[in-house]
Amino acid sequence: KAGVTQTPRYLIKTRGQQVTLSCSPISGHRSVSWYQQTPGQGLQFLFEYFSETQRNKGNFPGRFSGRQFSNSRSEMNVSTLELGDSALYLCASSFDRGDSYEQYFGPGTRLTVT
Amino acid sequence: AQKVTQAQTEISVVEKEDVTLDCVYETRDTTYYLFWYKQPPSGELVFLIRRNSFDEQNEISGRYSWNFQKSTSSFNFTITASQVVDSAVYFCALKLGNTPLVFGKGTRLSVIA
Repeated sequence: KAGVTQTPRYLIKTRGQQVTLSCSPISGHRSVSWYQQTPGQGLQFLFEYFSETQRNKGNFPGRFSGRQFSNSRSEMNVSTLELGDSALYLCASSFDRGDSYEQYFGPGTRLTVT
Repeated sequence: AQKVTQAQTEISVVEKEDVTLDCVYETRDTTYYLFWYKQPPSGELVFLIRRNSFDEQNEISGRYSWNFQKSTSSFNFTITASQVVDSAVYFCALKLGNTPLVFGKGTRLSVIA
């Protein structure tokens, strides 16, 4: 079974631009979560989607948004990029949104904002 | 609010030594789940184990073992006879109900040949 895939793997953008990251979950998984990882803040939760609905959202500004498609693939968008948005963005999928699920992570997209 | 503390920021050991990574969690809920993930240099978090709050049995998987003690709110991870391939950042995480995973800051383990 293929794992979680994320594209692109690396991205360099300029301040003020916007970016879209993509995540394809493991086949059969309906829940997709996004995390931001930085050296200073560690792993921080962005949002979770289940069956095309956002069910949880972390403490990030409105510049960060996401969506999930009917095939469970998900995208996240960051508008008006800031230097502080430079980070590794990790996507995770799980079979269901039950409280005991394991999340399986993709390799991440490393975003650099200059 | 829930919290996970991994007090060891970095650990360095010589190959074949045993090493224990500490994890202390905080929650008032009686039902919760604890996880360990490994993040090698490639960046992907690899799931290692899940433990629910009602199961305090220790678990062993090859060279890996986990010690869950509710009395001290700890979920420690031991690698026996460490190998260079064990070098990575290890994260402990806590989950309550339908809330997101809460991760500790991670422990960077370096195993020197």
